[in-house]
Amino acid sequence: DAKTTQPPSMDCAEGRAANLPCNHSTISGNEYVYWYRQIHSQGPQYIIHGLKNNETNEMASLIITEDRKSSTLILPHATLRDTAVYYCIVRVGNNAGNMLTFGGGTRLMVKP
Amino acid sequence: AAGVIQSPRHLIKEKRETATLKCYPIPRHDTVYWYQQGPGQDPQFLISFYEKMQSDKGSIPDRFSAQQFSDYHSELNMSSLELGDSALYFCASSRTYYEQYFGPGTRLTVT
Repeated sequence: DAKTTQPPSMDCAEGRAANLPCNHSTISGNEYVYWYRQIHSQGPQYIIHGLKNNETNEMASLIITEDRKSSTLILPHATLRDTAVYYCIVRVGNNAGNMLTFGGGTRLMVKP
Repeated sequence: AAGVIQSPRHLIKEKRETATLKCYPIPRHDTVYWYQQGPGQDPQFLISFYEKMQSDKGSIPDRFSAQQFSDYHSELNMSSLELGDSALYFCASSRTYYEQYFGPGTRLTVT
């Protein structure tokens, strides 16, 4: 699986958009970009995933650059409950047995 | 909606003892995963099962074993416990390839 690079920490004001970057310059053509988050000591939670097109769901938006070497997770209106560690994970996406490889992650602190 | 159930939520064992962690996946989910998260660390994949067969294996010590039963619940058996086994153990289940649902975890403390 391709290696990802994320800033270790970020702050965001409550109500503002949180933009979390991820670099994955060695991504392969069949690898997807996934985002999970982990609120303190809780089980990780799936947020969103994409291959090459931008994606949006009720939680967030995912913007993937045209060359697919980087992406940005956008939380449009961050709340205090969004304070968590956010993991960008790149892996082949068409196998139900594939495990998740968590590494690094960005600790997002949403402040009042 | 039903979630992944893990039991027990907390477990205290002494060194060299044995522990069994249980995981009950979301109904109709066919894949179960186990992850270990040490203090201040990221979750690390241990092992997974698809339709009761082991599908992937990560950095699981030989002292650990796991299986998935006919009702799809899974158990992680840990023997000869060491202080370094103290961690949060998460079970996750999935029905699709992209979304794993994690349980609340079992906090194991080895003294």
